[in-house]
Amino acid sequence: GAGVSQTPSNKVTEKGKYVELRCDPISGHTALYWYRQSLGQGPEFLIYFQGTGAADDSGLPNDRFFAVRPEGSVSTLKIQRTERGDSAVYLCASSPLSGSVNEQFFGPGTRLTVL
Amino acid sequence: AQSVTQPDIHITVSEGASLELRCNYSYGATPYLFWYVQSPGQGLQLLLKYFSGDTLVQGIKGFEAEFKRSQSSFNLRKPSVHWSDAAEYFCAVVTYNNNDMRFGAGTRLTVKP
Repeated sequence: GAGVSQTPSNKVTEKGKYVELRCDPISGHTALYWYRQSLGQGPEFLIYFQGTGAADDSGLPNDRFFAVRPEGSVSTLKIQRTERGDSAVYLCASSPLSGSVNEQFFGPGTRLTVL
Repeated sequence: AQSVTQPDIHITVSEGASLELRCNYSYGATPYLFWYVQSPGQGLQLLLKYFSGDTLVQGIKGFEAEFKRSQSSFNLRKPSVHWSDAAEYFCAVVTYNNNDMRFGAGTRLTVKP
């Protein structure tokens, strides 16, 4: 079956621009997670959705970052006024059950480069 | 807060040799522990996980890991490495009441022919 997909696979933007990154989770998965992976580092938790609501957004670095999941399926991570330090691979994962103790299925990621 | 340390940034082993990747965690109670593998262009894939019970956990692709509470470790092992095992390996920890999974910085495995 289809796994988690993320679009675009690569995004190059200029400092100060706005970007949207999309995640299509596995059908039926109620939990959705966003992570950021900087070069040479492990993934860093950003936000967790249970259904349509953000159950935990404690990992978002600042108010330039925002994510939505309006219908409980597809999610969009939005970054305003991008900075060079935002350059990273953004990973999405979904899980059929809530809570990080359950297996998460990861997408291939979106590589964001801010020039 | 919980944290994960993977002391080895890069390891090279010969095909057919045994492998051990180290992982140490910092947390007051018994955490939930995971090993993921990340191949180029692929998403992270779960190899195995430990929640409770038998401290030796079997995973996919012939991997196993052993939870040692006294050493706060959860090392990943494989008796005979295959060239296709070359990838980045991540140890991760989650606490029961927490929604966020904390990952180590990863260990990159190179397999020599």
